[in-house]
Amino acid sequence: GAGVSQSPSNKVTEKGKDVELRCDPISGHTALYWYRQRLGQGLEFLIYFQGNSAPDKSGLPSDRFSAERTGESVSTLTIQRTQQEDSAVYLCASSADVDHGEKLFFGSGTQLSVL
Amino acid sequence: DQQVKQNSPSLSVQEGRISILNCDYTNSMFDYFLWYKKYPAEGPTFLISISSIKDKNEDGRFTVFLNKSAKHLSLHIVPSQPGDSAVYFCAAIYSGTYKYIFGTGTRLKVLA
Repeated sequence: GAGVSQSPSNKVTEKGKDVELRCDPISGHTALYWYRQRLGQGLEFLIYFQGNSAPDKSGLPSDRFSAERTGESVSTLTIQRTQQEDSAVYLCASSADVDHGEKLFFGSGTQLSVL
Repeated sequence: DQQVKQNSPSLSVQEGRISILNCDYTNSMFDYFLWYKKYPAEGPTFLISISSIKDKNEDGRFTVFLNKSAKHLSLHIVPSQPGDSAVYFCAAIYSGTYKYIFGTGTRLKVLA
């Protein structure tokens, strides 16, 4: 597709359930990021993938969070045993190169609400 | 520790006037700065950037100013238009890294 695609756009779940969020980056983009924006806060870095290198998972807030990426394509972010504090907009972004300054292209995000 | 700060959560400006959005940072290693604009229910989109070797970059109605000694950057929009109403995020990064650090955003409302 022409842009970064995320699904679902909205997800309402009950506390304790697992959720899986999907991101389709722009074709050819080697770098993929997951960010989170909680209400009233900035974009919080979660995880970074670059090609076949080991991902940088330093931003994942707990071991309930995990992410995978198949090659240079689709990525999934999984949250196990969701908690109310996980409620946020989860944004995926991709870029063409790892060199700094290469701007990020964001998807529209997944609004996650944990009841 | 918030390395990139946008201390004004909101700003209202009359159409046709100048909008000035501010951003402060604490890490002197940052050498590249970007502004993103975000409309409701959409992802942020890139607006303009500046390298630390410059103090000004202009693109149409948008100009970014960088004051390295003050660790401060600002985005000027002239003239402001109602379609500019959005949340604006500043972001910073430094050479050899890939982790963009974002501020908390400023909600701009341009009044017709």
